[in-house]
Amino acid sequence: SQKIEQNSEALNIQEGKTATLTCNYTNYSPAYLQWYRQDPGRGPVFLLLIRENEKEKRKERLKVTFDTTLKQSLFHITASQPADSATYLCALDMESGGYNKLIFGAGTRLAVHP
Amino acid sequence: NAGVTQTPKFQVLKTGQSMTLQCAQDMNHNSMYWYRQDPGMGLRLIYYSASEGTTDKGEVPNGYNVSRLNKREFSLRLESAAPSQTSVYFCASSEDSRHFGNGTRLTVT
Repeated sequence: SQKIEQNSEALNIQEGKTATLTCNYTNYSPAYLQWYRQDPGRGPVFLLLIRENEKEKRKERLKVTFDTTLKQSLFHITASQPADSATYLCALDMESGGYNKLIFGAGTRLAVHP
Repeated sequence: NAGVTQTPKFQVLKTGQSMTLQCAQDMNHNSMYWYRQDPGMGLRLIYYSASEGTTDKGEVPNGYNVSRLNKREFSLRLESAAPSQTSVYFCASSEDSRHFGNGTRLTVT
C-alpha cells in the first residue's frame, strides 16, 4: 500500500542545535517533494520544494535532501531557535492529470527549548 | 495582499444541518483546493478546481459539494452535516506550492 510517514512523536531539541526531521514514503514516485510549516491554529506555510533530480536544497538555515533510492527526505534546521517550534509537514508532489496532486504526511512537531 | 481568506473561522452544527464554507484568494491563481485535517492524519483533499469553471473530486469527496464561483472564490458546501465531518477545513490556491488559508474549525454534534 502507499504510505507517507513522518515521526509522530515530537522532536525536542536545545536552542542552537540542528533539528533533523524525516519523511519516508513507499509505493510512490513523486516528481517533487515539498516541506511546509504549520503553527497552531494556522494553515500550513510553504518552505521548500526539491525536485527528484536534486540531491539537496538550501534556504537560509534550512536544508532539505531527497533520496529517491531510499525513498526518504530529510529536513534540517541549523542553529535552531525557539521561534522554529512548529509542526513540519512533508508532501509528495505527484503530477496527475494536468494538476499537481500533493500527498501530505501527518507532520512532526518540533519543540526548540531555550 | 490578504492571500487566502476563509470564513467562518469557527462553526458548530447539529447533525443534518447544512452550511457553506467560503474561500477567496487574491493571488490570481488558477487552481484552488479544499482539504480537511484530522488529528494524526495528513491533509486530505476533498475537491479541487484546476481552473475557473472546472471542479473535480479529490480523495474524500463524499458528503460535500463545491462551487468555483469565479477565479477568486471557491466554496465548499455540506448539505447534511454528520459528526464524521467534524474537522478543520483548509482552502488553498496554487501555481506550484500551495498557499493556505487559516482554516475553519467545524464541529458537528
